[in-house]
Amino acid sequence: DSGVTQTPKHLITATGQRVTLRCSPRSGDLSVYWYQQSLDQGLQFLIQYYNGEERAKGNILERFSAQQFPDLHSELNLSSLELGDSALYFCASSLGGTNEKLFFGSGTQLSVL
Amino acid sequence: DQQVKQNSPSLSVQEGRISILNCDYTNSMFDYFLWYKKYPAEGPTFLISISSIKDKNEDGRFTVFLNKSAKHLSLHIVPSQPGDSAVYFCAASLLSTGKLIFGQGTTLQVKP
Repeated sequence: DSGVTQTPKHLITATGQRVTLRCSPRSGDLSVYWYQQSLDQGLQFLIQYYNGEERAKGNILERFSAQQFPDLHSELNLSSLELGDSALYFCASSLGGTNEKLFFGSGTQLSVL
Repeated sequence: DQQVKQNSPSLSVQEGRISILNCDYTNSMFDYFLWYKKYPAEGPTFLISISSIKDKNEDGRFTVFLNKSAKHLSLHIVPSQPGDSAVYFCAASLLSTGKLIFGQGTTLQVKP
């Protein structure tokens, strides 16, 4: 158990819809990262938050947004969903703002039908 | 542009033998490299890391080698065990940023 909690584990929705994925980092960790893993793809970095502030951005679509709340949990919002958004979405956390060692949650499997 | 590449999608080795997983990167500015292991239905777990100022780091059965001139790193597992069967991801980062770039992963199967 990494200590990172992601909910829900599975999500099935239709194209055009909007969903929210939630992540609670390990106790004491200030950074939260979001990654997307599609079929036959590696882990694609989406975005990082550190202590409530956006710190780094990857290949995150404009239809996607994220935030980190004062209690350090994070939410990833995916809107106007397309079939290609179907993927496994991972959240990870680390103690500081750099990424020497990330602890990953078990992921949210999103299926867009 | 895939900055971190694992060109072998899969690898099969016999129990007790050496497993060698390879990874290439393109950005010479990367200063920290990591290996993660992933079992089905679980998130990746940290395995071992190496700073760009080193060329080798060892932790038990796991050793990571870094060849900066070739922009290549490898993970050696000796001896390999059936429980090592998993997907292995290499990752590279610039510690001054928050970005950690992963390769596509290599599926290792260790046969008893």
